[in-house]
Amino acid sequence: QQQVKQSPQSLIVQKGGISIINCAYENTAFDYFPWYQQFPGKGPALLIAIRPDVSEKKEGRFTISFNKSAKQFSLHIMDSQPGDSATYFCAARGDTGNQFYFGTGTSLTVIP
Amino acid sequence: GAGVSQSPSNKVTEKGKDVELRCDPISGHTALYWYRQSLGQGLEFLIYFQGNSAPDKSGLPSDRFSAERTGGSVSTLTIQRTQQEDSAVYLCASSLSGPRSGNTIYFGEGSWLTVV
Repeated sequence: QQQVKQSPQSLIVQKGGISIINCAYENTAFDYFPWYQQFPGKGPALLIAIRPDVSEKKEGRFTISFNKSAKQFSLHIMDSQPGDSATYFCAARGDTGNQFYFGTGTSLTVIP
Repeated sequence: GAGVSQSPSNKVTEKGKDVELRCDPISGHTALYWYRQSLGQGLEFLIYFQGNSAPDKSGLPSDRFSAERTGGSVSTLTIQRTQQEDSAVYLCASSLSGPRSGNTIYFGEGSWLTVV
């Protein structure tokens, strides 16, 4: 059973546009929600993360929006650039246990 | 080293053979994770080591999978009698301390295993 559901599977955006990737979860015990960026042939790298006590976190062009009541969170990439083309994974951590639960990933392509 | 180092980067093996995948975490990191990434799937947790504590093996998919971590540093993931469904990228990650600490988890580039 997929603990974190991610959509869309793939996304094509024009340079300068906004990329939006959505994730949803069911387990209300999750208490930390990171996003990872993965380039081909590389391991995932932490991009930005949020805790459920805030509704939004912004770092540069990257923003996480968090809706605790809906159990949804999303990544917004403003002014998308070709260099942002990568696979993005959302994840969630439970309040117990040692693992992070990952979404299935979104392949983002930014067209020049 | 500067980052998490994994070897081999690519491995093709015949069905039924055993394979060993190695992970060298960032120096000083006490927490070490193994994840598996299959095509079109998210990352699947396999096992977690923290210092000298007993590992969390709750994610290992079968008894053909095992892992050890020697001296609190290098880790080896062993898959016995490999099956085609074992084909995936095996990712190792490390962090300064455990997942509850908030420390960033750093992933290696992975070992791509193909079972033919």
